[in-house]
Amino acid sequence: SQELEQSPQSLIVQEGKNLTINCTSSKTLYGLYWYKQKYGEGLIFLMMLQKGGEEKSHEKITAKLDEKKQQSSLHITASQPSHAGIYLCGAVSGGSNYKLTFGKGTLLTVNP
Amino acid sequence: DSGVTQTPKHLITATGQRVTLRCSPRSGDLSVYWYQQSLDQGLQFLIQYYNGEERAKGNILERFSAQQFPDLHSELNLSSLELGDSALYFCASSVTGMNTEAFFGQGTRLTVV
Repeated sequence: SQELEQSPQSLIVQEGKNLTINCTSSKTLYGLYWYKQKYGEGLIFLMMLQKGGEEKSHEKITAKLDEKKQQSSLHITASQPSHAGIYLCGAVSGGSNYKLTFGKGTLLTVNP
Repeated sequence: DSGVTQTPKHLITATGQRVTLRCSPRSGDLSVYWYQQSLDQGLQFLIQYYNGEERAKGNILERFSAQQFPDLHSELNLSSLELGDSALYFCASSVTGMNTEAFFGQGTRLTVV
């Protein structure tokens, strides 16, 4: 089955700094999702990537799916306390397997 | 607000009991997913339905079952509850369930005492 590994597991940055979170898959990615979650709350959809080399941005958050489609990165520019939370990547396995599975998440703390 | 509604928000029940969690997908979404989230296991995929039919199954225990009804709402039934079943249970929905955006509900927090 497909496994997603996120790095780092946790990250503490000063407000205003840039940061990157990575998501690496054990198999080819057919759809890569990024979500943000506040502790104990629901997951907020950020963006979905499908094509190798695809890059999407939403406000100060940019995500990219690499050409070989086995890794994605999420980049936050000029971080703010509102960016704090848990970032999860999710992926759909190929073939007839429709499972949408997730990595363990990256806990981001932004210090004012 | 994602448009996905889960009820109840909180549930406290005793070991050995049975509970039903309900999910109403976003208008127009045909696919529903169920997940269990605990501190040690992370977000675990349980099961997915598409237009009333089971499409994919994850690590769902035999004590757990789910179904999607003709009006597309879904229910997750948990029986013979154990302390270890205490977790957040999320439902998500998407249009087709295959490479389309999936939106999550706020979850049901289940506490088994």
